[in-house]
Amino acid sequence: EVQLVESGGGLVQPGESLRLSCAASGFAFSGHSMNWVRQAPGKGLEWISYISSGSSSIYYADSVKGRFTISRDDAKNSVYLQMNSLRDEDTAVYYCVRDGSGPDYWGQGTLVTVSS
Amino acid sequence: DIQMTQSPSSLSASVGDKVTITCRASQGFSRWLAWYQQKPEKAPKSLIYEASNLQSGVPSRFSGSESGTDFTLTISSLQPEDFATYYCQQYNTYPRTFGQGTKVEIK
Repeated sequence: EVQLVESGGGLVQPGESLRLSCAASGFAFSGHSMNWVRQAPGKGLEWISYISSGSSSIYYADSVKGRFTISRDDAKNSVYLQMNSLRDEDTAVYYCVRDGSGPDYWGQGTLVTVSS
Repeated sequence: DIQMTQSPSSLSASVGDKVTITCRASQGFSRWLAWYQQKPEKAPKSLIYEASNLQSGVPSRFSGSESGTDFTLTISSLQPEDFATYYCQQYNTYPRTFGQGTKVEIK
């Protein structure tokens, strides 16, 4: 069974950093591209980052470019999102999403709250 | 960036009704579109990929189609468990953009 489990969310102040993790299981992680998608409270979905298998291609939404960094560790079956210089508007539930038959499996999400 | 304009933003329907939700792309592309269902306080669930292919385990009352820059999700006979918010997403180019969502409510 495919499982994606995010962790690392929490309450931080503006300007601080946070690192999210997504632990994958139930499939051959190294062969799949991965994404991060977020959802602000009461709002729609926003794609924020992509990393290909082998990490050869990486993309970011303009809203996080230069502040967030996506990475993966295939030995640990994990994908990460390093978030620096956090802003109030980064408050959201962050989901990791696998690319398989299209973007197919979603984790349960981890909440990041940026507030002073 | 490709903008995805989803309509309607909300609708009220009864069990058994046929429901249609549309996403219009600001630029033409073919096939690389997904549909998701999200229930309150839950993660989205993937329904359709490549515009018209059902994900494994998704009931056959869900279907997807494309015509030019318009992509459509159809629920042929609405069931109680289908009341939720639905999103489209293009994954043809980066950034991968979502529609604004359609909330399907009980009439």
